[in-house]
Amino acid sequence: DVKVTQSSRYLVKRTGEKVFLECVQDMDHENMFWYRQDPGLGLRLIYFSYDVKMKEKGDIPEGYSVSREKKERFSLILESASTNQTSMYLCASRPAGASGQYFGPGTRLTVT
Amino acid sequence: GENVEQHPSTLSVQEGDSAVIKCTYSDSASNYFPWYKQELGKGPQLIIDIRSNVGEKKDQRIAVTLNKTAKHFSLHITETQPEDSAVYFCAATESAHTASKLTFGTGTRLQVTL
Repeated sequence: DVKVTQSSRYLVKRTGEKVFLECVQDMDHENMFWYRQDPGLGLRLIYFSYDVKMKEKGDIPEGYSVSREKKERFSLILESASTNQTSMYLCASRPAGASGQYFGPGTRLTVT
Repeated sequence: GENVEQHPSTLSVQEGDSAVIKCTYSDSASNYFPWYKQELGKGPQLIIDIRSNVGEKKDQRIAVTLNKTAKHFSLHITETQPEDSAVYFCAATESAHTASKLTFGTGTRLQVTL
C-alpha cells in the first residue's frame, strides 16, 4: 500500500514563528502536493512539485514556500506564521502517468 | 482557471436509501473527474473516477455519471450503509497524466442514519 506520512498530526505555533511541515511518501512518486483544507472552502492547492528541486505555485501560494531536495520528501514552510494560516494541511503524492492522488492524514496547525 | 461547484453541502439519508451528490465545472478542457471520500481524522481517499470519453462508471454500490455538454458530473451511492458517512469531494482537471492541478469542490457531508 502507498503510504504518505506527515510529521505531525497537531501543531501549535505562535505568530511570527517559522514553521516546517514535512511530508514523506514511500512509493517513489514523482508528483507531490500541498493543500490546505478549510470548512466551506474545500481543498485548495498551495504548491506542487513534479520532480526533485522543481516546484510550481498552486492557487494560494502567498505566505508559503516549499522544498523538495529528495524525491520522497516535500516540505511546506511558513516563513512567518500568521493566525490566518490556522488550518488543516494535507500532503498528497501521485506517480507520473497515473491519475489518483494519495493523501496523508493531515496536520492541523493552530497559530496563536 | 477551473471552478468546481458541489451540491448539497450536507446530505442525510436513511440506511438503505440512495444518495446523489452533484458537481458542475467551468472549464470545457477538463477531462478527468475523480471523487474522494474523507473519513473523520483521515486524509481524502480516491473512491472512483471518470474520464471524459465515457458517460458512466460503476464500482459495486457507487457510480459516477458525466454530462460533458452540460459540464456536470454526479456521484451515486446505492443501498447506503453507516460506513458511507463521510465528507465527499469532487474534483476536475484538464489532464490525468501530467503534473496537472486538481480543482476540488467544497465538499458534501453525508450522514447515513439507522
